Amino acid sequence: EMQLVESGGGWIQPGGSLRLSCAASGLTVSTNYMNWVRQAPGKGLEWVSIIHRSGSTYYADSVKGRFTISRDSSQNTLYLQMNSLTAEDTALYYCARGYYGLNVWGQGTAVTVSS
Amino acid sequence: EVLMTQSPATLSVSPGERATLSCRASQSVSTNLAWYQQKPGQAPRLLIYDAFSRAAGIPDRFSGSGSGTEFTLTISSLQSEDFAVYYCQQYGNWPPYTFGQGTKVEIK
Repeated sequence: EMQLVESGGGWIQPGGSLRLSCAASGLTVSTNYMNWVRQAPGKGLEWVSIIHRSGSTYYADSVKGRFTISRDSSQNTLYLQMNSLTAEDTALYYCARGYYGLNVWGQGTAVTVSS
Repeated sequence: EVLMTQSPATLSVSPGERATLSCRASQSVSTNLAWYQQKPGQAPRLLIYDAFSRAAGIPDRFSGSGSGTEFTLTISSLQSEDFAVYYCQQYGNWPPYTFGQGTKVEIK
């Protein structure tokens, strides 16, 4: 069974940094297209970033230059390094596999940016 | 950026009835469109990809149609477990992938 488990969320002050992790089982992070998608409280879904099988990375404009997606093949884990956080980054962050539709999702890790 | 607009925002339907949800793209995305279902406290679940292909394990009461800028998700006979929020997402012109704002299907 394919499973994704996010961790690393929490409360952080504006301007701070946080690194999210997404541990995969039943699938190999490095051979899949892996994404981060977020959902602000009571709001819809917002795509954040993708890392291709090739290692190419892409970002939403709202996070470009502040967030970095990466992966560790030895740990079979996806990461999202988030810097210069603002209140607008407060959300539940999901990792998800896929390119033509996101067909495996984790349960999310919550990030709250507040002073 | 491709803007995705879903309608209606809320759809009130009785169990057993048919539900039709719409999604419009601001520019053509061909058939590069997915539909997701999200229940409270749960992660989204992929229902449809490539506009009309059902994802693994999805009941055949869910069907997708459309191409270009106009898309439809139809639930042929609503079951109690189908009451949820539904999102469309395009992957035809990216980055970024973009989602619609969602349609809530509620019990009438």
